[in-house]
Amino acid sequence: SQKIEQNSEALNIQEGKTATLTCNYTNYSPAYLQWYRQDPGRGPVFLLLIRENEKEKRKERLKVTFDTTLKQSLFHITASQPADSATYLCALDENPGANNLFFGTGTRLTVIP
Amino acid sequence: DAGVIQSPRHEVTEMGQEVTLRCKPISGHNSLFWYRQTMMRGLELLIYFNNNVPIDDSGMPEDRFSAKMPNASFSTLKIQPSEPRDSAVYFCASSPTGGTYNEQFFGPGTRLTVL
Repeated sequence: SQKIEQNSEALNIQEGKTATLTCNYTNYSPAYLQWYRQDPGRGPVFLLLIRENEKEKRKERLKVTFDTTLKQSLFHITASQPADSATYLCALDENPGANNLFFGTGTRLTVIP
Repeated sequence: DAGVIQSPRHEVTEMGQEVTLRCKPISGHNSLFWYRQTMMRGLELLIYFNNNVPIDDSGMPEDRFSAKMPNASFSTLKIQPSEPRDSAVYFCASSPTGGTYNEQFFGPGTRLTVL
């Protein structure tokens, strides 16, 4: 069956360090992968999208990699700040051409001052 | 733009009652999605529409759930009759086109509690 796993439910890191979150999937062949941020009591907010033919994508302090052989995406936040504390969700399309997304259960990141 | 608007923000009801959740997507977006989020199961897609037409409702848990999109600016998700296991946060999201690769814009959610 299809599955999306994010490495841990919770991750605590020190301010200024790089946070690395993992998204692994099985039985999918996604055309792209998205990362979202969710704060308590709010809906998810889109951060980055990476296509299957892209190895890496950057946006300010964020970097996403996508390895379709390993079926894994890594999400990095460099120079982390307490304001980065939130839950981060990865999402995959069901199959090429589909418009719907399947979400992982998320990793709750806490950046400690 | 005000973003995706959902109402009510909170709903507390008793088992057996009908519940209607409402969503106004971002103007110009022609894809609309309904999700349910719980601690146990995370964020699950219930149904999505392209150009007001339901495309995939395979995530709708059972016949007690129904969704409509009578026009491009309004959608409802109805649960009748409601049960305690329906307690969750329900999100509506919209996307600018019916194609692939597009980010989804989420509303603030409706927290439903069924007693």
